[in-house]
Amino acid sequence: QVQLQQSGAELVKPGSSVKMSCKASGYTFTSYYIYWIKQRPGQGLEWIGRIGPGSGDTNYNEKFKGKATFTVDKSSSTAYMQLSSLTPEDTAVYYCARGLRRAWFDYWGQGVMVTVSS
Amino acid sequence: DIQMTQSPASLSASLGETVTIECRASEDIYNGLAWYQQKPGKSPQLLIYNANSLHTGVPSRFSGSGSGTQYSLKINSLQSEDVASYFCQQYYDYPWTFGGGTKLELK
Repeated sequence: QVQLQQSGAELVKPGSSVKMSCKASGYTFTSYYIYWIKQRPGQGLEWIGRIGPGSGDTNYNEKFKGKATFTVDKSSSTAYMQLSSLTPEDTAVYYCARGLRRAWFDYWGQGVMVTVSS
Repeated sequence: DIQMTQSPASLSASLGETVTIECRASEDIYNGLAWYQQKPGKSPQLLIYNANSLHTGVPSRFSGSGSGTQYSLKINSLQSEDVASYFCQQYYDYPWTFGGGTKLELK
């Protein structure tokens, strides 16, 4: 069955960076895009962007350019997102999800809680 | 960016009742719309895609409809396990955007 297993919660200091992972299983990793979505506590959802594991091509929401960086390791079917120059506004749950190029998200990871605090 | 306005923000309904949640886009999204259900502490789960197609394994009491800028999610015969938040999402144009969510509770 399709699974997206994300890394564990992070507590980080303002100004630092964090890198989280999303390990895919149960399907051909390179056949679907990996999307990243942000959800602040008690709030709605924001699309950060996506990466195509096969081609490595990326699309970023303008709002997150310079904040988020996507990479993949095809050998381990794992996608990564690095967030830089963290501020308290980056405190949120970050989800990875699977989808086609211009489509919905059919499977989601369990989310990574990132807390930015001194 | 396409703005997605979801209503109501919260909703209280009784078991067995029919519930409708609305989502309005700021421009035509040509049925590029999905609905998700999110239970507390869990990740969102896909319910509907292409405005009216039911995702695999989703109970048939859920249905989606609409076109242009107006879309809706209907839940027939509300069950206790349907207590959750619901979000719409457009994937017609970048950046993809979500509605603000509807929190559904039991009366």
